[in-house]
Amino acid sequence: KAGVTQTPRYLIKTRGQQVTLSCSPISGHRSVSWYQQTPGQGLQFLFEYFSETQRNKGNFPGRFSGRQFSNSRSEMNVSTLELGDSALYLCASSLTGEIEAFFGQGTRLTVV
Amino acid sequence: TQLLEQSPQFLSIQEGENLTVYCNSSSVFSSLQWYRQEPGEGPVLLVTVVTGGEVKKLKRLTFQFGDARKDSSLHITAAQPGDTGLYLCAGDRDDKIIFGKGTRLHILP
Repeated sequence: KAGVTQTPRYLIKTRGQQVTLSCSPISGHRSVSWYQQTPGQGLQFLFEYFSETQRNKGNFPGRFSGRQFSNSRSEMNVSTLELGDSALYLCASSLTGEIEAFFGQGTRLTVV
Repeated sequence: TQLLEQSPQFLSIQEGENLTVYCNSSSVFSSLQWYRQEPGEGPVLLVTVVTGGEVKKLKRLTFQFGDARKDSSLHITAAQPGDTGLYLCAGDRDDKIIFGKGTRLHILP
């Protein structure tokens, strides 16, 4: 059974640009959550999607958005990138939003 | 304010030694999870503790949930280099999984 797949693994962008990250959950999992991980703040919750609907949202600005497709794949978008957005972005999937989640390897975003 | 406080932040010990890391909160959690994250990888779930006072063992790792369900500890016996990584505790709060900042563990061969 394939795990959670995130693409791309690494990304370098310039300030002001936008970026889209992709996450394919484990087959059969309908809940996808996104996290930002930085050395200073640790893992912070961005949002959760379930059956194409955003079910929960963390305390991030509106520049951070996401969506989920009918096949449960999810994308997150960050617009008007800032240097402080440099981080490891992690996606986690679960069957229906259980607290025990399965994480992908993450996308390392560097904003220069 | 961090809802889940982990200590120590960093720990470097020799192979074969024992160690304990902690996850503390002023809030009650219905359950807590422990994850291990290796460099370049996402966190991997190790265990979930649910009942106050519960003790779970995973080979050389022993996890304990406090009686009041506000804290948890992870004890590693005879640490090995393969135990190196970032150990994260997590709990469910307002339908979101929140994480502590982790304990970065380095086992020296």
